[in-house]
Amino acid sequence: SSELTQDPAVSVALGQTVRITCQGDSLRSYYASWYQQKPGQAPVLVIYGKNNRPSGIPDRFSGSSSGNTASLTITGAQAEDEADYYCNSRDSSGNHEVFGTGTKVTVL
Amino acid sequence: QVQLVQSGSELKKPGASVKVSCKASGYTFTSYAMNWVRQAPGQGLEWMGWINTNTGNPTYAQGFTGRFVFSLDTSVSTAYLQISSLKAEDTAVYYCARVRVYSRISNYMDVWGKGTTVTVSS
Repeated sequence: SSELTQDPAVSVALGQTVRITCQGDSLRSYYASWYQQKPGQAPVLVIYGKNNRPSGIPDRFSGSSSGNTASLTITGAQAEDEADYYCNSRDSSGNHEVFGTGTKVTVL
Repeated sequence: QVQLVQSGSELKKPGASVKVSCKASGYTFTSYAMNWVRQAPGQGLEWMGWINTNTGNPTYAQGFTGRFVFSLDTSVSTAYLQISSLKAEDTAVYYCARVRVYSRISNYMDVWGKGTTVTVSS
């Protein structure tokens, strides 16, 4: 079973803000990274480290962390943000990695 | 540009083996580790493990020991995933992804291959 838990699905109105959470004990010690995956495509990195965006990722994507929860926030969601989002981090042992269960974001 | 090019789709019978390749270009292959990730149909991402491209030392996630083997050919900047004794439940898309180290407490995957679909069916 996954050690990182995400809500299965969230919806957001166009232009509004949505926060996707990822919970797990290992997040007290390690940062999460976040990946966006659209149907039939490979995942794309959107946030890494404390709150870093790779080149080309819009600044409406941001990350944060508190306690055992990492969050990805999309401020002013666009239609093209509709996708599955996965968090990833080390597991509790610190020796392996694990993905979250994934969150499907629907933009209404 | 930096990219990972994976081999094409495979259709295999149960019990057979398959070898998926992941060819890196645009960067020094041995400077970054490589992760392997599985995605079964309609399911989420699953971390299979990683390989140190400097030493060739692999690390496997629980559930991916025994039939799964990570290997390298650094002369052609290519990582391989071999799966033996294939089962129907191995049907999935397999991704390679370059690992970047952000800090002691964080790494991430910044470049992904497009994925290789492996279908196991009699």
